[in-house]
Amino acid sequence: DSGVTQTPKHLITATGQRVTLRCSPRSGDLSVYWYQQSLDQGLQFLIQYYNGEERAKGNILERFSAQQFPDLHSELNLSSLELGDSALYFCASSVGVRGDPQYFGPGTRLLVL
Amino acid sequence: AQSVAQPEDQVNVAEGNPLTVKCTYSVSGNPYLFWYVQYPNRGLQFLLKYITGDNLVKGSYGFEAEFNKSQTSFHLKKPSALVSDSALYFCAVRDRVGDDKIIFGKGTRLHILP
Repeated sequence: DSGVTQTPKHLITATGQRVTLRCSPRSGDLSVYWYQQSLDQGLQFLIQYYNGEERAKGNILERFSAQQFPDLHSELNLSSLELGDSALYFCASSVGVRGDPQYFGPGTRLLVL
Repeated sequence: AQSVAQPEDQVNVAEGNPLTVKCTYSVSGNPYLFWYVQYPNRGLQFLLKYITGDNLVKGSYGFEAEFNKSQTSFHLKKPSALVSDSALYFCAVRDRVGDDKIIFGKGTRLHILP
């Protein structure tokens, strides 16, 4: 158990809909990262927050947004969903220094029908 | 642009034999280097990292990795493979300065044959 929690574990929705994925980092960690894992694209870094502020942006679509709240939990919002958004979405956390390893949550499996 | 290459999609090794999972990178400067492992239906788990110092880094579960600056490689190794090592392995790089993106390789599936 990494100490990172993600809800929900599974999500099934329809094209065009909007969903919110939630992540609670390990106790003491200030950074939260979001990743998308699909069979054809591998593991893609989406976005990083540090202590409430956006720190780095990866391959995140404009239809996706995220935020980190004062209690350090984070939410990833996916809107206008398309079939291709079906994937595993992972959250990870770290203390916040670049050399620190990341600790990954169990993931949310999103299926868009 | 930063990039990480794991040239083998799959590696098959007999139990008890040494294993190597390859990783090369293209990043300016001296990046931080990481290896992670993913078991079925689980999130990634940190194995080891290279920050500075000895080129041979020891990590969890008996794994080690060799940093080679001239070849820009960070290959993962284990002297004697176990069936339980079968999993998906990811190499990752992160710049020490500038853009704080983390780049993961595509992953290498390791099969340890009993």
